[in-house]
Amino acid sequence: AQSVTQLGSHVSVSEGALVLLRCNYSSSVPPYLFWYVQYPNQGLQLLLKYTSAATLVKGINGFEAEFKKSETSFHLTKPSAHMRDAAEYFCAVSDATSGTYKYIFGTGTRLKVLA
Amino acid sequence: NAGVTQTPKFQVLKTGQSMTLQCAQDMNHNSMYWYRQDPGMGLRLIYYSASEGTTDKGEVPNGYNVSRLNKREFSLRLESAAPSQTSVYFCASKIGRTLSTNEKLFFGSGTQLSVL
Repeated sequence: AQSVTQLGSHVSVSEGALVLLRCNYSSSVPPYLFWYVQYPNQGLQLLLKYTSAATLVKGINGFEAEFKKSETSFHLTKPSAHMRDAAEYFCAVSDATSGTYKYIFGTGTRLKVLA
Repeated sequence: NAGVTQTPKFQVLKTGQSMTLQCAQDMNHNSMYWYRQDPGMGLRLIYYSASEGTTDKGEVPNGYNVSRLNKREFSLRLESAAPSQTSVYFCASKIGRTLSTNEKLFFGSGTQLSVL
């Protein structure tokens, strides 16, 4: 079975600083990987997804993520944090191994942006 | 364009009461999902439906039942609510029914449920 691990349940950065949110996955087959964002009192929205077309994936709001097979990682980055980036971020992997249609989510990382 | 609509947004139940959470999507999606979100545990899949007329258990199905009433609607029922079911519940959908798992999920805004 596939899984994802997000390192750090809370991350704080200063406005204008680099954002780095970590995600490692476990998969016996080439995975599809996703980053979702959840703003307060809202549902999740897709930030970006990796589907094997390119290892560096660009998403909305200036975020990007790099798929590194050797490190089994899919870390999310943004060069300069903005106050509006404060939210909870979830890494997810699609479970393509069991013939089902499930997505497995990580436990989430809450990003705080300091003025 | 409403997307995925969940009702109610908030609900308080007493232990042992029953209720149904409603979910409807207007995007002609085939697959629909119910997740619960708990602090420190992320989102956990309760049930899903790959197409109209089919439902399958996810990670945490105990205490819940579902109905895929038609292509648009996927309801989640708590027959006898327990305090452990206090959570935020999200419905989601995606267009494909096959193993096209590179598709994104569309989420509703959630139902906050408290069981006393």
